[in-house]
Parts: sequence; structure tokens; C-alpha cells
Amino acid sequence: QQQVKQSPQSLIVQKGGISIINCAYENTAFDYFPWYQQFPGKGPALLIAIRPDVSEKKEGRFTISFNKSAKQFSLHIMDSQPGDSATYFCAAPHQGGSNYKLTFGKGTLLTVNP
Amino acid sequence: DTEVTQTPKHLVMGMTNKKSLKCEQHMGHRAMYWYKQKAKKPPELMFVYSYEKLSINESVPSRFSPECPNSSLLNLHLHALQPEDSALYLCASSQEPSTGVAKNIQYFGAGTRLSVL
Repeated sequence: QQQVKQSPQSLIVQKGGISIINCAYENTAFDYFPWYQQFPGKGPALLIAIRPDVSEKKEGRFTISFNKSAKQFSLHIMDSQPGDSATYFCAAPHQGGSNYKLTFGKGTLLTVNP
Repeated sequence: DTEVTQTPKHLVMGMTNKKSLKCEQHMGHRAMYWYKQKAKKPPELMFVYSYEKLSINESVPSRFSPECPNSSLLNLHLHALQPEDSALYLCASSQEPSTGVAKNIQYFGAGTRLSVL
């Protein structure tokens, strides 16, 4: 069973600051690592995803950094805004035979103060 | 368009009721998923359909019965639920359940908030 360890559990950042969320995984047989953003009462929305052969991917203010040797990947939110306040989940897919699963980290509740 | 539509948005049911949750996507995705999410927890996988066939059942109680009538629709039939089944039920879809970045990315609906009294 794939394990994904996410930290911190909660994070408070001032507007304009940098938010950093970390995840660590165990298995190595994956083809991508997605991050999801979830607002209260809504479903998770794909934020950004990275392939394991890439060390960094940037989309606007959001950047994923990937460290394959350490089996870690992190989400950086630059110039954090109050509208970024949400729960963020990292995830790792794993495949067994013909089955396919996505294991989520426990989530990080981000609060950006104005 | 990466939209997955779930109905109803909210559902309140008694323990003896029978109800159904519906999920629809028109992205041509061939894998569809049901997840259960409790407050302040990550989504937990319940079922996976691959090419309209059930491929994963995560030991879900039989009071939850999934159905995939066609490649665009996914239902979850509910019967004799317990109060602890109250949760947000999420549907997701992906292009295919296979290797390859784009094919595996899952897109979620907004969910159905279920309350069992």
C-alpha cells in the first residue's frame, strides 16, 4: 500500500508571503505527482502535476519541486493571496495489475491572512 | 472542458431510504471513480470503473452499489445507510487507467453532501 506523508497539517501565511507544503512517498513506480486544491464544500481541483523525470514545474505563482533521490516533492505558492486559502492535497498514483489508484496525503489547511 | 457534474448537491436520507447519486462527464474519459470524503480528511477511494467495468471495489459495504450505464454516466445506489455514512461523495474521471501522465490525471466533481439521519 502506497503511503504519502504530507506536512505541515496546517499553515498560516501573511499575504504576499511564500507557502511551502511538503510530501514524501515510499514507492518509486509512478508516472506523475499531482497537487489538488480544495475549497470548503467543493471537490478537489487539479492544481499542478509533475512527472518524475522533471525537477521543477512552474505555473504562475505555483511551483512543484521534485527530489527523486529523497522521494520528496513540494508545492511552493509565491505571493500568497487570501484567495489561496484552501486545503491542499498531494497525491501519488500507483498501479497493481490492471488496477489504478491515487493515494492522497492527509492534506494541509492553508490560511492566508490579509 | 474538464467538467464532472454530480447531482444532487445535497441529499438527506433516512436509514431505510433508497437513493441514488449521479455523475456525468463528457470528456470521453474511460475511467470513473467514486470517493468518500469525511470532514478534514483526504478522499478515500471506494470504486473504480474502467471501460464501464468495475475494476476496483475497496471493500465497500454492500449498502453502496455502483453502476456504470455507459461511458459518460456513473451512479451510486444507496440503501439502508448508517449515520456514519454521512460524508461528501465525490466522483472523478480520468482519460484511461494506464501509464502516462495525461491519461491518469483525475478530475473531480463538486460532490454530493450526504446526511443520513
